[in-house]
Amino acid sequence: QVTLRESGPALVKPTQTLTLTCTFSGFSLSSSGMCVSWIRQPPGKALEWLALIDWDDDKYYRASLKTRLNISRDTSKNQVVLTMTNMDPADTATYYCARIMASAGSCYLGYNWFDPWGQGTLVTVSS
Amino acid sequence: SYVLTQPPSVSVAPGKTARITCGGNNIGSKSVHWYQQKPGQAPVLVIYLNSDRPSGIPERLSGSNSGNTATLTISRVEAGDEADYYCQVWDSSSDYVFGTGTKVTVL
Repeated sequence: QVTLRESGPALVKPTQTLTLTCTFSGFSLSSSGMCVSWIRQPPGKALEWLALIDWDDDKYYRASLKTRLNISRDTSKNQVVLTMTNMDPADTATYYCARIMASAGSCYLGYNWFDPWGQGTLVTVSS
Repeated sequence: SYVLTQPPSVSVAPGKTARITCGGNNIGSKSVHWYQQKPGQAPVLVIYLNSDRPSGIPERLSGSNSGNTATLTISRVEAGDEADYYCQVWDSSSDYVFGTGTKVTVL
């Protein structure tokens, strides 16, 4: 059974750096075709893809947030970490991690989907 | 950037059929996936690759994709189908894109 769980601070101040951890089980991020992605959802709004890391340690970021995001992995701990710098109240959202199984040799292609998802963690940005 | 447009809400009586559309430029050339999100919960994949169902998803849920519109159809709607539904594609210029979301209300 594949599970993912997000953890991190519930409250951060504007301009601070957010660090979120996704701890997963049931698969190995070292296995070919496996990827972990981060997605967020502001309260009452739609989902927004942020970043992903693949089995080869390749990393991909949302273009508009690329300068603020960093994704990394610790395969020995089955963890993926997302950092987002210079947090703003507009970044208030529930942050999810999810698995992608590459369906055509890459997680950065047109055939992939997110399954399963973690429960999500709400991050509020406020002074 | 690539945009996916969904109706904000769809209302349907129990036992009837709900159709949720997802509009995008030439979306028929892309693979569309659908997620169900109940209040306070994480999204759950219900349709992938336009029309395939993951194990455990009832046959009442089906998907299609052609031209500029993809559609999620829920037949014989039940109270438990009440949720938000999101479509998703990957676009070479916009990366992973989600639709605006549709709230399904069972009357």
